[in-house]
Amino acid sequence: QSALTQPASVSGSPGQSITISCTGTSSDVGNYNLVSWYRQYPGEAPKLMIYEGSKRPSGVSNRLSGSKSGNTASLTISGLQTEDEADYYCFSYAGDNTLIFGGGTKLTVL
Amino acid sequence: QVQLVQSGGEVKKPGASVKVSCKASDYTFTNYGVTWVRQAPGQGLEWMGWINGYNGNTNYAQKFQGRVTMTADASTSTAYMEVKSLRTDDTAVYYCGRSQDPTLIDYWGQGTLVTVSS
Repeated sequence: QSALTQPASVSGSPGQSITISCTGTSSDVGNYNLVSWYRQYPGEAPKLMIYEGSKRPSGVSNRLSGSKSGNTASLTISGLQTEDEADYYCFSYAGDNTLIFGGGTKLTVL
Repeated sequence: QVQLVQSGGEVKKPGASVKVSCKASDYTFTNYGVTWVRQAPGQGLEWMGWINGYNGNTNYAQKFQGRVTMTADASTSTAYMEVKSLRTDDTAVYYCGRSQDPTLIDYWGQGTLVTVSS
């Protein structure tokens, strides 16, 4: 099964908003509200930022939000800060007890 | 606080096996699953599978079926992941994570680098 499709890179200036897309199919992203998003700094383990499409764990900034339309999930970060610069991965249930990550997106804060 | 502590890095030759451990603390091990994810150098995250901490039921990614075995010892709150018939492209950092449901990995281990080289 192929990875979910994410842009390789996105960038924005401090204070701006950016959106990272995660495109799957009607068998995964489109069929379940079970997309999560993870942030990963170089050399560190990933960290959960969004789960079940749009829910934020305790302690995660409300500048991050998740949504879904059809087969595409999205992560929006508003009021960009330098600390947001990292790699971001989407992760979805794909049926038959299978899960799949997106290819990852490198966010650069200019 | 919740912690997952993984075993140390390993260097293996092609064809060998490796077993990585993941010891959990400060939560009830049997109330959660453990997901295993790997990341090859410079590459993205790859889901390998999941084990139910309560009953030991497992789900593996298709590409790892038959070559990867995940087990859990509730008495020591430790999960294990064994990869057999190692290949050079198995060189990666292997992570364990606590899973409330399969897509929700809320705590992660520090990662274990497995290097496969002749």
